[in-house]
Amino acid sequence: DAGVIQSPRHEVTEMGQEVTLRCKPISGHNSLFWYRQTMMRGLELLIYFNNNVPIDDSGMPEDRFSAKMPNASFSTLKIQPSEPRDSAVYFCASSGTGTGLLFGPGTRLTVL
Amino acid sequence: GEDVEQSLFLSVREGDSSVINCTYTDSSSTYLYWYKQEPGAGLQLLTYIFSNMDMKQDQRLTVLLNKKDKHLSLRIADTQTGDSAIYFCAEVGSYNTDKLIFGTGTRLQVFP
Repeated sequence: DAGVIQSPRHEVTEMGQEVTLRCKPISGHNSLFWYRQTMMRGLELLIYFNNNVPIDDSGMPEDRFSAKMPNASFSTLKIQPSEPRDSAVYFCASSGTGTGLLFGPGTRLTVL
Repeated sequence: GEDVEQSLFLSVREGDSSVINCTYTDSSSTYLYWYKQEPGAGLQLLTYIFSNMDMKQDQRLTVLLNKKDKHLSLRIADTQTGDSAIYFCAEVGSYNTDKLIFGTGTRLQVFP
């Protein structure tokens, strides 16, 4: 398996634009997580899904953030409108029974 | 609430042993994990320990768990420059076995 796949790897956009981050979890994993990492706040859990259903979205900063998981092999995290303070590295991770949490390479987002 | 704490920095000489420490608050945690993050990369699962174990060894890595004191440590024997990275401790949240709570990370610097 190729591991967790995220796209794009880098995104630079202007304030106010919509940003969509994509994730393909490892095949067979039933849980998917979105994390955000910044120098100031470290690693923060935004939302996670189990069997495609959102379980805990308490970490989503505000209504500008939304996440979907339409099927077991795909998830998106959308920010609309984006703001400079959203600049961070966004990680997707997936897990299955006994696998531990396995991370993707991340998407580095810069909002100008 | 759930909280995981780590010291921020550790500096060691190449060839020496490194010990990275972590304290956690949730006594009902079932699994505790160590992750490694190299610059510009995602988090890589290094090892984990089940809560009914005191020690786990995996090549140069030794994990020690003191449940009474809620203290976890990662020892790296014969530390190499390639071990320079940020090391994260994580525990499974007590109310949800899918959710990991991460520490702030310890930056390990190995000098020749």
